[in-house]
Amino acid sequence: AQSVAQPEDQVNVAEGNPLTVKCTYSVSGNPYLFWYVQYPNRGLQFLLKYITGDNLVKGSYGFEAEFNKSQTSFHLKKPSALVSDSALYFCAVRGVLSGGYNKLIFGAGTRLAVHP
Amino acid sequence: SQTIHQWPATLVQPVGSPLSLECTVEGTSNPNLYWYRQAAGRGLQLLFYSVGIGQISSEVPQNLSASRPQDRQFILSSKKLLLSDSGFYLCAWSVSLAGVETQYFGPGTRLLVL
Repeated sequence: AQSVAQPEDQVNVAEGNPLTVKCTYSVSGNPYLFWYVQYPNRGLQFLLKYITGDNLVKGSYGFEAEFNKSQTSFHLKKPSALVSDSALYFCAVRGVLSGGYNKLIFGAGTRLAVHP
Repeated sequence: SQTIHQWPATLVQPVGSPLSLECTVEGTSNPNLYWYRQAAGRGLQLLFYSVGIGQISSEVPQNLSASRPQDRQFILSSKKLLLSDSGFYLCAWSVSLAGVETQYFGPGTRLLVL
């Protein structure tokens, strides 16, 4: 069965420092992986996805994620954190619904706090 | 460009009252539509999905139901709300391109059942 794990409930980073939000996955077959961000009382915003090809995927707001097949990981990264990056981040993997349709399986989320 | 709307943004309802939350999508045709519930600002639980008008599938048994009366309209309902129905409800849409879907989310409705 497909699953996603985000091992950290919260990540604290100083502004200007690099940040990493961790995600590991378990799927049968090739993984389709996604990152979303949620600001308080808002819906989820799509950041980036990995389907195939280059292991380093670039997304919105300066974020990127590195796909590592041997470690079954898809960590989200940013070279220099901003206070405005403080939010809840979700990793997701494509799963399969009954009837063969696609669904997203979400991790529990990681709260990123960037301090001035 | 595509946009997704949800209303109301916030709702406070007494236990036992009915519920109707609406989601509409603009700028796309025949999208797949989803209802999620997010409890306590954390994980998302898929409640319903729809691949076409009148086609609704439920992921988990519950006190809620969904309907899709038009191609770009998705409604979440309940006849009698329970306290446990409180949460943040998110609607999402997706279109499959080359077998890969990306889901895009609406702004959400916060429901408090008292």
